[in-house]
Amino acid sequence: EVQVVQSGAEVKKPGESLKISCKASGYTFNTRWIGWVRQMPGKGLEWMGVIFPGDSDTRYSPSFQGQVTISADKSITTAYLQWTSLKASDTAMYYCATHIPGSGGWNFEHWGQGTLLTVSS
Amino acid sequence: QSALAQPASVSGSPGQSITISCTGTSGDIGSYPYVSWYQQHPGKAPRLMIYDVTNRPSGVSDRFSGSKSGTTASLTISGLQAEDEADYYCGSFTTSSTLIFGGGTMLTVL
Repeated sequence: EVQVVQSGAEVKKPGESLKISCKASGYTFNTRWIGWVRQMPGKGLEWMGVIFPGDSDTRYSPSFQGQVTISADKSITTAYLQWTSLKASDTAMYYCATHIPGSGGWNFEHWGQGTLLTVSS
Repeated sequence: QSALAQPASVSGSPGQSITISCTGTSGDIGSYPYVSWYQQHPGKAPRLMIYDVTNRPSGVSDRFSGSKSGTTASLTISGLQAEDEADYYCGSFTTSSTLIFGGGTMLTVL
């Protein structure tokens, strides 16, 4: 059974750095893309980007390119989403999810529970 | 790139069928058979209901079906049930190899 477990809620100040995690299990970690999705309070879903842990191939939405870094550590089957300097506008729920291998486009079947990030002075 | 266009809300009575539309452009829906639909209940993570226009992941009821024509995709829910009340988001692969979502549709079961 595929399971995706994210790190807990965070409260940070503007300008601080942060790395949140997404641990996947129940399948061969190297073989599925993992994506990150943002949901701002009361708003819709936004695709941030994906990583293929097998070779660290990473793709970003133009909206998030340069704003965040997506990475993965195969040894502990965990993906990460990282900021170097947080802004209040980064306040949101962040989800990670695994892509269905062999399907077209980006299709996220197994989701984490979400990590709520609050950035406030 | 602008979000795909969805109606803000739809409603239906138990047992009825409803359809949610999702309008894109030649740069997304019109270019690939890669449209997905997600259901999201309040406070919960999204759930994939349809992918690649018509495919259902394991465990998704066959009351949910998808279709596409030109630059518009549709999600149909037949035999509406109270538990279907949720937000629904469409998504499409784009010519930039990204995923773009719709703004979301709130489904109310009357």
